[in-house]
Amino acid sequence: SQKIEQNSEALNIQEGKTATLTCNYTNYSPAYLQWYRQDPGRGPVFLLLIRENEKEKRKERLKVTFDTTLKQSLFHITASQPADSATYLCAPTNQAGTALIFGKGTTLSVSS
Amino acid sequence: DGGITQSPKYLFRKEGQNVTLSCEQNLNHDAMYWYRQDPGQGLRLIYYSQIVNDFQKGDIAEGYSVSREKKESFPLTVTSAQKNPTAFYLCASRLGTGAQNIQYFGAGTRLSVL
Repeated sequence: SQKIEQNSEALNIQEGKTATLTCNYTNYSPAYLQWYRQDPGRGPVFLLLIRENEKEKRKERLKVTFDTTLKQSLFHITASQPADSATYLCAPTNQAGTALIFGKGTTLSVSS
Repeated sequence: DGGITQSPKYLFRKEGQNVTLSCEQNLNHDAMYWYRQDPGQGLRLIYYSQIVNDFQKGDIAEGYSVSREKKESFPLTVTSAQKNPTAFYLCASRLGTGAQNIQYFGAGTRLSVL
């Protein structure tokens, strides 16, 4: 069955450092991979989508990579701030895109 | 404001009772989804609907029912057959397919058992 693993449940870093979150998937060949942010008690919010033929995508301080050989996506937040503290979810998506399968998420805590 | 509106924010269910969670969207999206979120479990798909008057079971549909009579509305009923209903329930709608398969979520309903 399809499986999605996000590297760790929690990641603690200091303000100003780069946070790197990992998403690995098995038994799946997604055409796209999405990243969402979820704050406590709120619904997830879409951040970025990367296509299988794109190696890297950037948006402001966010950078996503997608390696279909390793079946892995990395999500980077540069110059992290306490306001970046949240849970980040990855969601590989097929071409038809009928439903998303979400990873369990990694909770990032940025301390000042 | 455009978006997904879920109500109520908090809901309490008594033993043997059915309760209905409301989800309304004004984004003109065809597809809508219900997820359940438990601590450490991530999001699990309960039901989804790609078009009015049609819906499909997700991974954990037992004990739940839905209807899709209008494009804007996708209510979820938690029936008495659902023995462990305490969770955070999220409704979402989908922009499109392929690279447009981006989901927009409501603020959630937290259901507890009395």
